[in-house]
Amino acid sequence: EAGVAQSPRYKIIEKRQSVAFWCNPISGHATLYWYQQILGQGPKLLIQFQNNGVVDDSQLPKDRFSAERLKGVDSTLKIQPAKLEDSAVYLCASSLSLAETQYFGPGTRLLVL
Amino acid sequence: AQKITQTQPGMFVQEKEAVTLDCTYDTSDPSYGLFWYKQPSSGEMIFLIYQGSYDQQNATEGRYSLNFQKARKSANLVISASQLGDSAMYFCAMRGLGSGGFKTIFGAGTRLFVKA
Repeated sequence: EAGVAQSPRYKIIEKRQSVAFWCNPISGHATLYWYQQILGQGPKLLIQFQNNGVVDDSQLPKDRFSAERLKGVDSTLKIQPAKLEDSAVYLCASSLSLAETQYFGPGTRLLVL
Repeated sequence: AQKITQTQPGMFVQEKEAVTLDCTYDTSDPSYGLFWYKQPSSGEMIFLIYQGSYDQQNATEGRYSLNFQKARKSANLVISASQLGDSAMYFCAMRGLGSGGFKTIFGAGTRLFVKA
């Protein structure tokens, strides 16, 4: 069974530029999560989807971050414009449902200069 | 509010010995789940073990076991017979029923070093 796929794996941009990350969850998983992991810290949940609906986005900085999961399968996370403090690893995870174990992708390492 | 605390920034263990990684939590949710993940230097989070708040027995998965003490709000991970490949960051996480439903929070992690 294929795991969670993410791309790109690495991205370097300058501040004020925009960037987008893509995630394809495990087949059949209804719930998809985006996390931000700053160096030396644990992951912080940004947003979680159940199918194509947002369940929780209370920690998403909505002035610059947006995410969508239009067809209830893959998802895109966008940052526009990026700030230096957005440098982090962005992890995508999926689970069969909200109550099930989350499985993570390899992450996208973002460096904002 | 939910909180996860991992008080050990780093731990050393001799190969083939057992090690315990501490995790305490705080929640007002009546039902919750506790997880442990391993994060090697490659960066991917690998699921290790899960304990539900109403489970009567401590969870075990191969060399991993979870020492769950509900009254003390602790969920320590025990790794038996440590291997060099166990060197990694370990994160404790909790999923409770928040305003958004089943919100997950992670601790700051413990870095484990296994010595040959």
